[in-house]
Amino acid sequence: AIQMTQSPSSLSASVGDRVTITCRASQGIRNDLGWYQQKPGKGPKLLIYAAFNLQSGVPSRFSGSASGTEFTLTISSLQPEDVATYYCLQDYNYPRTFGQGTKVEIK
Amino acid sequence: QVHLVESGGGVVQPGRSLRLSCEASGFSFSKYGMHWVRQAPGKGLEWVMFVSYDGAYMKNADSVQGRFTISRDNSKNTLYLEMNTLRPEDTAVYYCAKEKAENGSWVFDSWGQGTLVTVSS
Repeated sequence: AIQMTQSPSSLSASVGDRVTITCRASQGIRNDLGWYQQKPGKGPKLLIYAAFNLQSGVPSRFSGSASGTEFTLTISSLQPEDVATYYCLQDYNYPRTFGQGTKVEIK
Repeated sequence: QVHLVESGGGVVQPGRSLRLSCEASGFSFSKYGMHWVRQAPGKGLEWVMFVSYDGAYMKNADSVQGRFTISRDNSKNTLYLEMNTLRPEDTAVYYCAKEKAENGSWVFDSWGQGTLVTVSS
């Protein structure tokens, strides 16, 4: 199974800060990676698909990038409503595998 | 608007069985693959199983191999997860998720709110 190593496990930043979260795949997955946001007590929500593409309705402060097997989610200006846990998910093959998650808090 | 509602969770003893349901509305259920994903208390997300739009093709995680079965009834717009020989480590919130093809990727574009399964004696 492909392992997705996500970092950091948590972070605290101020409103307006730029935040980056990284996932590294254990093998090549092309750009078959999505980013999901989960708020407490809720199901996850799709933010980014195919590494770079912003899901409809998601604020443009969210963006995705990729370099080889390393994928990055960037929040350009952190907002209070972005407090959540973020997960990457590879859809290159089965079994699908998630990163361990990154909990984002406001400082 | 897509709506996915899971049900059937509860407290069950180790070794027993439970069937979860996911009722779908707001889209053509019979045209989309569906997944189950679970989340143990305080832990991350774990993919569990997939079924194709027509029920002909399935995939599962090693952790549930031979114990869980996924199925669907397109006439009832409902997805199922039959869980047998349950273990304490199966304790989790179980989510159903709709799959969609986007730019060559297979994304989970809609999720339910989840149903909690607790395996305990």
